[in-house]
Amino acid sequence: AQSVTQLGSHVSVSEGALVLLRCNYSSSVPPYLFWYVQYPNQGLQLLLKYTTGATLVKGINGFEAEFKKSETSFHLTKPSAHMSDAAEYFCAVSDSAGGTSYGKLTFGQGTILTVHP
Amino acid sequence: EAGVTQSPTHLIKTRGQQATLRCSPISGHTSVYWYQQALGLGLQFLLWYDEGEERNRGNFPPRFSGRQFPNYSSELNVNALELEDSALYLCASSPATGTGALYGYTFGSGTRLTVV
Repeated sequence: AQSVTQLGSHVSVSEGALVLLRCNYSSSVPPYLFWYVQYPNQGLQLLLKYTTGATLVKGINGFEAEFKKSETSFHLTKPSAHMSDAAEYFCAVSDSAGGTSYGKLTFGQGTILTVHP
Repeated sequence: EAGVTQSPTHLIKTRGQQATLRCSPISGHTSVYWYQQALGLGLQFLLWYDEGEERNRGNFPPRFSGRQFPNYSSELNVNALELEDSALYLCASSPATGTGALYGYTFGSGTRLTVV
């Protein structure tokens, strides 16, 4: 079964500083990986995804993530934090294998990002 | 283009009652997914519907059920409500069978269910 661990339930950075949110996954098959963001009282918005191919994935709002198979990691980064980045971030892994999907994403517990002025 | 819409936004029910939550997917999307986001438990997969049929189910008791209508909208029913059913229920959709788990879902804003 697939699983995801997000290291750090809360991360605090200063505006303009590097954002690094950590995600490690466990999957018995080549993984499909995702990062979502959730603003207060809203649903989740897809930031970026890794399916196959290039291991460095660029997403919206200046975020990117690097898939490292040897480390089973998919950490999310942004070079310079903005106040508007304050939200909760979720890493997720798909139950899909070989292009066949069972519809399910397994989410990590989330990391709340706080950005200080 | 309208996104995934869920209704009602908030719902308050008494323990033992039934709750019905509704979801309209993005136009053209045929797959609908339901998740529960409970405090301290994170996001838990509930159900996946595609082309009117239940395709997969998470580890939830049978009193959680749903259906998908011919226009691809969906309904989640929770019977015999318990206090621990209080949560944000999120609906998501994707363009074709199961592609949400391959390429990502589009989520709605959720229904906040409170059981008292």
